[in-house]
Amino acid sequence: DVKVTQSSRYLVKRTGEKVFLECVQDMDHENMFWYRQDPGLGLRLIYFSYDVKMKEKGDIPEGYSVSREKKERFSLILESASTNQTSMYLCASSFGGVLQETQYFGPGTRLLVL
Amino acid sequence: DQQVKQNSPSLSVQEGRISILNCDYTNSMFDYFLWYKKYPAEGPTFLISISSIKDKNEDGRFTVFLNKSAKHLSLHIVPSQPGDSAVYFCAATGNAGNMLTFGGGTRLMVKP
Repeated sequence: DVKVTQSSRYLVKRTGEKVFLECVQDMDHENMFWYRQDPGLGLRLIYFSYDVKMKEKGDIPEGYSVSREKKERFSLILESASTNQTSMYLCASSFGGVLQETQYFGPGTRLLVL
Repeated sequence: DQQVKQNSPSLSVQEGRISILNCDYTNSMFDYFLWYKKYPAEGPTFLISISSIKDKNEDGRFTVFLNKSAKHLSLHIVPSQPGDSAVYFCAATGNAGNMLTFGGGTRLMVKP
């Protein structure tokens, strides 16, 4: 079974803090993704990576950056957290190299920015 | 503007009856569609998918129907079970490859 883990289930941070969200997958997947989930808006793609050190902006990259130094690990960084970044953050991975494939999700990190 | 829409935020169904969840899309480049199920405090899990070359795909109690001319797909669950109570997300992808566009989700409640 594919396993995608996220470093924290719940986080509380203050406005202006730098926040790191970590994601690790154990299936040697090429692609990794960061989404945020908000009520009524579904999942919106923040960034994705199709290889080590490669990244592409998703639909809502503003206020976020990412890092992929190793294949199994994809980090989401909030450079200066703001209250509108309070959300559920979901990491996903997929095998890569082919179209139309399933993404596997981690359990999510619920972030509250005060 | 949302390219994938699930117009019903919630749906309540009696156990044993059929659940029908609907999804509409606007982007004609989408050619592959997926349904994910999400329980509280868990990440979404893949449920079923359909390619645009088909109009139906079945997996046990779950069937997805695709109407390309109407840009509409639906997920049928028969018979519905209380364990099916979850939020269901419709997703679509096209020539952009692995990037998925998700709908807003529908919360299904199956009553015993």
